[in-house]
Amino acid sequence: RKEVEQDPGPFNVPEGATVAFNCTYSNSASQSFFWYRQDCRKEPKLLMSVYSSGNEDGRFTAQLNRASQYISLLIRDSKLSDSATYLCVVIPFGGFKTIFGAGTRLFVKA
Amino acid sequence: DAGVTQSPTHLIKTRGQQVTLRCSPKSGHDTVSWYQQALGQGPQFIFQYYEEEERQRGNFPDRFSGHQFPNYSSELNVNALLLGDSALYLCASSNYNEQFFGPGTRLTVL
Repeated sequence: RKEVEQDPGPFNVPEGATVAFNCTYSNSASQSFFWYRQDCRKEPKLLMSVYSSGNEDGRFTAQLNRASQYISLLIRDSKLSDSATYLCVVIPFGGFKTIFGAGTRLFVKA
Repeated sequence: DAGVTQSPTHLIKTRGQQVTLRCSPKSGHDTVSWYQQALGQGPQFIFQYYEEEERQRGNFPDRFSGHQFPNYSSELNVNALLLGDSALYLCASSNYNEQFFGPGTRLTVL
């Protein structure tokens, strides 16, 4: 089983839609969680950290479910510019190795 | 404030050769991590440097080595290149858990 798993997609949604991605992780001792966004042939960029209490940044909401070992990302009112690959990131407790999922591709269409 | 910089941008080598990639971290960051990203995959953790020491290593062979200098910049060296080493090599700097990536070096091994 992979340490971090994501549905590769692609998710094809119209502008204005709400879309959600999940990411599961295998190490229950994982400590820190993030979502990154990566545009085609560019470097990953931090989208948001994921806290135990959940967090929201504008149209983006991230949630952590430690009992079921997954994190989620919800995007409301999708924009064309949201088209990208979304990478889930997990850092184990007490470690420094950062584990990326393979990413979920999102295409937002007009 | 300059972000993370990497050089060179692109590189073409042949099998068996050696390569050195360079990274300058974001101002104020003392930790540098290196990743390999194959096409269609998430970044894979190679190793992390802090205080000029390799702090943690991923599942990469000894052909992959690195160094961190007193100014926190870093090098990634790959010996005896294989065709499978062709990838985007990303450097990320941080001073806590949130990592900021450079634009990467695209290495092609022929």
